Amino acid sequence: KQEVTQIPAALSVPEGENLVLNCSFTDSAIYNLQWFRQDPGKGLTSLLLIQSSQREQTSGRLNASLDKSSGRSTLYIAASQPGDSATYLCAVNRDTDKLIFGTGTRLQVFP
Amino acid sequence: DGGITQSPKYLFRKEGQNVTLSCEQNLNHDAMYWYRQDPGQGLRLIYYSQIVNDFQKGDIAEGYSVSREKKESFPLTVTSAQKNPTAFYLCASSIYGITGELFFGEGSRLTVL
Repeated sequence: KQEVTQIPAALSVPEGENLVLNCSFTDSAIYNLQWFRQDPGKGLTSLLLIQSSQREQTSGRLNASLDKSSGRSTLYIAASQPGDSATYLCAVNRDTDKLIFGTGTRLQVFP
Repeated sequence: DGGITQSPKYLFRKEGQNVTLSCEQNLNHDAMYWYRQDPGQGLRLIYYSQIVNDFQKGDIAEGYSVSREKKESFPLTVTSAQKNPTAFYLCASSIYGITGELFFGEGSRLTVL
């Protein structure tokens, strides 16, 4: 059974720091991996999707990497800003119709 | 603007009542999903539908029912059989079989009084 773990559960950093969020999964036979952002009381916003054949994806200050063999993905946020404060979730997809989610990392960026 | 609309945003229910949460999308996506989110837990899949007039149970379908009569709509009914219905409910959609990328609505918060 696929399990997804995100460490740390919470992170507080000063503005301007570069930071890394971690996601690990137990079954390497994934179809793709997605990173989402969730603001309090809101739905999820898709940030990056990495297909199983890819190693990384970039969007603006965000870079996500994927290492299937070790069951790991990292989300790198460059030059963090207070507006980046949110919960970040990763999810893996074994079949095209089911995503397994981690419990998220709650990020706070203070001025 | 294309997107997913969930309503109501907040809903209060007395024990023993059924309630229906609405989910409408104008993204022309084939697949739609319902997730439940509880504090400290990851999202859990309730039901999903890959095509009109067809749907499958997810991991926690007991006490819930759905229908998919139109491509744009995937309502979720929380029945009185659901023992712990207070939660945040999220609807999502994806282009089935292409990228699997999920797009979410803003969620509906159900509170049982």
